[in-house]
Amino acid sequence: RKEVEQDPGPFNVPEGATVAFNCTYSNSASQSFFWYRQDCRKEPKLLMSVYSSGNEDGRFTAQLNRASQYISLLIRDSKLSDSATYLCVVKTRTGNQFYFGTGTSLTVIP
Amino acid sequence: DTAVSQTPKYLVTQMGNDKSIKCEQNLGHDTMYWYKQDSKKFLKIMFSYNNKELIINETVPNRFSPKSPDKAHLNLHINSLELGDSAVYFCASRAEGTGSGYTFGSGTRLTVV
Repeated sequence: RKEVEQDPGPFNVPEGATVAFNCTYSNSASQSFFWYRQDCRKEPKLLMSVYSSGNEDGRFTAQLNRASQYISLLIRDSKLSDSATYLCVVKTRTGNQFYFGTGTSLTVIP
Repeated sequence: DTAVSQTPKYLVTQMGNDKSIKCEQNLGHDTMYWYKQDSKKFLKIMFSYNNKELIINETVPNRFSPKSPDKAHLNLHINSLELGDSAVYFCASRAEGTGSGYTFGSGTRLTVV
């Protein structure tokens, strides 16, 4: 079983739509959670960390559900510039390793 | 003012050659990594160094040898390149013990022909 699993999509949504991605993780001892964004032929860049109480950054909201072992990313009022692959990243409490999901592809359509 | 820089950006080489990719970070981070992203876009860790000490060595062929001359540099040397080594290789760094995520370099696109 993979450490981190994401629906690869693709998600094609119109501008202005709200879209949500989920990511499940297998290790209940996971400690830190992140969402990264990767544009085509570019490096992944940190979008936001995910905190236990949930957190918001502008149009982006991240949530953590430890009981069900998943994290989510909600994007409101989608913009064309939101088109990218969104990577879920999980770090376990022990060891120094981060596990990446395979990414969810989002295309925002005019 | 690039935080994590890797060179070269593109590398095309023949099977059997030996090549190196260099990485440098100016963030003062104490941990550096090499990741491989294959054609299916899956990012897989290869190596991790903390203050020049190897702490993660995943099941990578021993043709791949990382070298960290100091904590700001982590180079990757690859011997006897094979077609299957074609991928994008990302260097990354982070500040250990802070709960922060990675900062990635812009990647090296390696094509073995």
